[in-house]
Amino acid sequence: AQSVTQPDIHITVSEGASLELRCNYSYGATPYLFWYVQSPGQGLQLLLKYFSGDTLVQGIKGFEAEFKRSQSSFNLRKPSVHWSDAAEYFCAGYGNKLVFGAGTILRVKS
Amino acid sequence: ETGVTQSPTHLIKTRGQQVTLRCSSQSGHNTVSWYQQALGQGPQFIFQYYREEENGRGNFPPRFSGLQFPNYSSELNVNALELDDSALYLCASSPSGQSYNEQFFGPGTRLTVL
Repeated sequence: AQSVTQPDIHITVSEGASLELRCNYSYGATPYLFWYVQSPGQGLQLLLKYFSGDTLVQGIKGFEAEFKRSQSSFNLRKPSVHWSDAAEYFCAGYGNKLVFGAGTILRVKS
Repeated sequence: ETGVTQSPTHLIKTRGQQVTLRCSSQSGHNTVSWYQQALGQGPQFIFQYYREEENGRGNFPPRFSGLQFPNYSSELNVNALELDDSALYLCASSPSGQSYNEQFFGPGTRLTVL
């Protein structure tokens, strides 16, 4: 079965610190992979996507993600977090439908 | 360019009732997908409509049904509401029948079933 796992429910980082959000996928073949962000009262916004090719993907708002086939992972990173990055982040995979992980809530402390 | 809009924003119903949620897709998009996001969970795919026909369905019972209109707007209907139907319902539109094109999400409708 197609599945996406985000092991961390909550993560707290200090403003200016680096960030890594974990995502693991389980698919028969490499799926298309996405990271979305959801702020309260807002819909989901696409941060970045991986279809094929370069395993390091750049996205909006200074985010990047690295696809690692050997680890079935697609972790999201940002070198320096801003208070406005506080939100919930979802990893998703597409095989024949979009499957989301349970999300990671990011808190930023000043 | 107008984004994806959904109505109503919030809705309260009682168990056993029926509900209709509405979605207007982004201009130029002919595909609409619906998702259910329960509290503390990621969105779950309900179904997708492409050019007025259902084009894929997730693991939801038949009491979840939908429509897409010639202007590509869409409705999600849920009959015989259950308490577990309480959730945020998200609509997303995309420019083709293949959902691996970027999906643009609306702000959602928060449904509470009492």
